[in-house]
Amino acid sequence: IQLTQSPSSLSASVGDRVTITCRASQGISSYLAWYQQKPGKAPKLLIYAASTLQSGVPSRFSGSGSGTDFTLTISSLQPEDFATYYCQQLNSYPFTFGGGTKVEIK
Amino acid sequence: EVQLLESGGGLVQPGGSLRLSCAASGFTFSSYAMSWVRQAPGKGLEWVSAISGSGGSTYYADSVKGRFTISRDNSKNTLYLQMNSLRAEDTAVYYCAKDLPTVTTRTDAFDIWGQGTMVTVSS
Repeated sequence: IQLTQSPSSLSASVGDRVTITCRASQGISSYLAWYQQKPGKAPKLLIYAASTLQSGVPSRFSGSGSGTDFTLTISSLQPEDFATYYCQQLNSYPFTFGGGTKVEIK
Repeated sequence: EVQLLESGGGLVQPGGSLRLSCAASGFTFSSYAMSWVRQAPGKGLEWVSAISGSGGSTYYADSVKGRFTISRDNSKNTLYLQMNSLRAEDTAVYYCAKDLPTVTTRTDAFDIWGQGTMVTVSS
């Protein structure tokens, strides 16, 4: 199963609403997770089961979608949110990742 | 504190072998499936392999099937990745990751990651 993220990068300002999309090459129900990764650090789980917020993750992060189309939304971008975001499908092995979306400061 | 600590990375020649280890602490290791995920320099994440909590089921990416072997020793709370016939394209940071606790046996996500260990395949 291939995952296509878009855009591959974006520039945004603090306070902006940001939306990242992830499209699967075939239906994956809601078996999708989102991760945030900062340079030199391991990925951090944000959302699983497409829309469930991981414990401790700020509520400005939200996820939606099912089947083949998914979105990650950051309602009001904060300075600490500048990072690369990855989606991952866990519907079936191999558990593939999207190519990533780099969120940069405008 | 739940923690994963990888070790065993280093420089190896093409065709060589290396064994990575991931020491787990702070949780009941045998209750969780575990995975290896890698990231080539400047590139995205690539899932490599997974193993069930008991060790009875294993899964691999096509890119490493037949060359890499995942295993675990639940008595030592340690996950392993034996890498043989290494290629330049295997150069990456290798992370071990723990399954998110769920009410089913499915993997929903990876909630805990190690800090990674660098593997460089070069002559």
